[in-house]
Amino acid sequence: TQLLEQSPQFLSIQEGENLTVYCNSSSVFSSLQWYRQEPGEGPVLLVTVVTGGEVKKLKRLTFQFGDARKDSSLHITAAQPGDTGLYLCAGGDNYGQNFVFGPGTRLSVLP
Amino acid sequence: GAGVSQSPRYKVAKRGQDVALRCDPISGHVSLFWYQQALGQGPEFLTYFQNEAQLDKSGLPSDRFFAERPEGSVSTLKIQRTQQEDSAVYLCASSLSGLNQPQHFGDGTRLSIL
Repeated sequence: TQLLEQSPQFLSIQEGENLTVYCNSSSVFSSLQWYRQEPGEGPVLLVTVVTGGEVKKLKRLTFQFGDARKDSSLHITAAQPGDTGLYLCAGGDNYGQNFVFGPGTRLSVLP
Repeated sequence: GAGVSQSPRYKVAKRGQDVALRCDPISGHVSLFWYQQALGQGPEFLTYFQNEAQLDKSGLPSDRFFAERPEGSVSTLKIQRTQQEDSAVYLCASSLSGLNQPQHFGDGTRLSIL
């Protein structure tokens, strides 16, 4: 069974700070997706990374997929209170048979 | 429709009652997923449909859980003889096709078993 671990579990920072959250596994994933979830809502897709070593930018968010496709990171520059939420990584195996979510990193950005 | 719609948004039931949760996926999306999300946790996979075929139900916690998608569109997740540990948010998602396509989520049904 594929598992995804995320760290840190909780993160509370001041507005304007930078941060990085991590998604790790011992298994290889064909792709990894990052979602953000706010209270009372379903997760919303931020990005999908497919190629080992790939870097994608979405405004102040930078996503990287590890060379071995076993890990990923999300870096936020100059965090804002609107970035507050639960950040989830999720991925499927190379056989298209399993899809799992990590437990998430709960980010709180204080004004 | 414009997005995935789930109903009801909230459901309170007494232990032992049966409940049915509905999911309307995005029109044209072939794949449909059900997840269970406990408070403070990530979504846990329950089951997955490709059209009307249930391709994977390995995540269903017990035989009290049953899901169907008879016409390849709307899906229903049924829980029989509910227990307190069934209390959670149940999320539905749909995608164009397959496990590795981006999934579009509904806002979930929050189920509370008293």
